[in-house]
Amino acid sequence: GAVVSQHPSRVICKSGTSVKIECRSLDFQATTMFWYRQFPKQSLMLMATSNEGSKATYEQGVEKDKFLINHASLTLSTLTVTSAHPEDSSFYICSARRTSGSGAYNEQFFGPGTRLTVL
Amino acid sequence: KQEVTQIPAALSVPEGENLVLNCSFTDSAIYNLQWFRQDPGKGLTSLLLIQSSQREQTSGRLNASLDKSSGRSTLYIAASQPGDSATYLCAVKGHTPLVFGKGTRLSVIA
Repeated sequence: GAVVSQHPSRVICKSGTSVKIECRSLDFQATTMFWYRQFPKQSLMLMATSNEGSKATYEQGVEKDKFLINHASLTLSTLTVTSAHPEDSSFYICSARRTSGSGAYNEQFFGPGTRLTVL
Repeated sequence: KQEVTQIPAALSVPEGENLVLNCSFTDSAIYNLQWFRQDPGKGLTSLLLIQSSQREQTSGRLNASLDKSSGRSTLYIAASQPGDSATYLCAVKGHTPLVFGKGTRLSVIA
């Protein structure tokens, strides 16, 4: 199977600071990566879709200036939560879609998630 | 807009029982449907992926079925064990990225 990693796995920060989360596809190239957010006892909600070398597409209600996404290479996407507030505390999960391969070309593979706590 | 519903929201069963988790989706134009397991505070573990052309997939004690025309899928777990306790998420892939249901929280009591 394809492996997606996230770093860090857990971060605690003060209100007003910025936090960067990295998502890497370790053994495959991913033209497209997705960022999801999950609040306690809720399902995963898609925040944005990022394509390598172009601007991310944000879902309705997600502030693009607050959640900066950079997809600079075929194996790395980053999510930066700027001027974090306590309400941004959540579980952030990235997903990568393999660009080639028969049968599962459109399968999304998920990272282990990053727990963000803003004090 | 695709919507995914999972019933029940929570389920508690004694060890050894067979059980069925249900998933329904509103737009039948999907490429595939996937079942995931999520343990508390953890990421997702993919259990089964069913392509739109398939009717079911099996892995060990798990069997997932798909009826695309009616917008339904079921996840059957045979001979449940306490280690099966987790939240089970159903997600569908259409023209958009994966859309998730809210999950079913399963507790298997020893």
